[in-house]
Parts: sequence; C-alpha cells; structure tokens
Amino acid sequence: DAKTTQPPSMDCAEGRAANLPCNHSTISGNEYVYWYRQIHSQGPQYIIHGLKNNETNEMASLIITEDRKSSTLILPHATLRDTAVYYCIVKSNFNKFYFGSGTKLNVKP
Amino acid sequence: EAGVAQSPRYKIIEKRQSVAFWCNPISGHATLYWYQQILGQGPKLLIQFQNNGVVDDSQLPKDRFSAERLKGVDSTLKIQPAKLEDSAVYLCASSLVGWQGAYEQYFGPGTRLTVT
Repeated sequence: DAKTTQPPSMDCAEGRAANLPCNHSTISGNEYVYWYRQIHSQGPQYIIHGLKNNETNEMASLIITEDRKSSTLILPHATLRDTAVYYCIVKSNFNKFYFGSGTKLNVKP
Repeated sequence: EAGVAQSPRYKIIEKRQSVAFWCNPISGHATLYWYQQILGQGPKLLIQFQNNGVVDDSQLPKDRFSAERLKGVDSTLKIQPAKLEDSAVYLCASSLVGWQGAYEQYFGPGTRLTVT
C-alpha cells in the first residue's frame, strides 16, 4: 500500500495561498490521492481527491504531477478557520485509507 | 443529509474495565470503518465492514477488541479489558461501496476514551 510523506508543519499568512506538498512515490496507477483535514476535536473532513488530472472544487485545488509521485493541495485564500492538520492519503483498493501524521497548517493574521 | 453519528462522545474508565462504542453510518452507506487515533498521530484503521461482513481487521487487537455490524447498519466496537494504551479517539466512518473507485469516507465526531 502506497505511503505518503508530508512536512510536519507549515505557516501561512491569512489571505494568502497555502500550498501543502505531499510525496507518494510508490503510488500505483489506479490509486487515488485524497486530502482530508482535521480541525481540533473533530473528525476528519473530506477536501478533494484526484487520480491523474488536476482538480478544483469550492474548497481547494489539487495539483498532481505527471508522474503522479507527488501532489500539492492549494487553499487559494487561507483564513484562520483553515488552521488544521491536513492529511494526504493514497486510497488503496477496497477503499482503505492510510493516514500519515499530516501537516499542521497554522494560518496567522 | 444526516452525518455519521457516534456515542458516547467521551468515556473515562479504569484499566481492565470494558467499554463499548456505537456508530450509526450515513443511510445507504454499505461500508463502515472504525479508526483509532492516538494523540498526535493520524487515524489508524482497525476494522472495515462491507455490509455486515468484515473486509479487513488486520490491525484490530483481537485479544481485547471486537466489533460487529449486525444487519449491515449500526456497529459497535468493544474493548475488554481496556489497557492504558487504549486511550485514544475512536472514529467511525462510512462510505458507499468500498471497492475500486472514488468514494470518500465521511467521519463521525469520534469518541474520546481515557483509560486511567
């Protein structure tokens, strides 16, 4: 099962774009990349997912490199409420998620 | 649409006692998951159900943990007897059919267990 590597923490100024990187060099061709976030004392919340193409929704954009070995989650205009732990996950067959330790994003005023 | 419901939200027990957690998934979701999240770590999958059958329980400590999903809807996770290292948040999640494809998991608020 593919594992992911993320920096333990990042800072971002309020109103700026937050770019969160993730390495998943052992990803297989049919495995999806998912991003979740977890705000303190809550369950993880789905953000976005993708397979090969870049994806965008109302929350974020997901950029996946052509070789699919890494991806970047972009929050275009970070707010204080975006302070959370962000998890990059490679979904295996049978919909199994393997969470790493994630990136703690600190959005500062 | 109602989300994943879990109860209780908090539980404090002494070591060697028993405890049970309950989860009600989103209506129509065939797949149900139980995760354990120790403070400072990401969630770790304990068991995955497809309807009322177990798909994966490879990381469930079966000497003390058990889980069931009777009738393919609600599920209970039990710990008997509890150890200090079982202190964690227990998360329940559900999704549509859990085979290949893109089905996001929806998480409940979790049950915070403290073993003293």
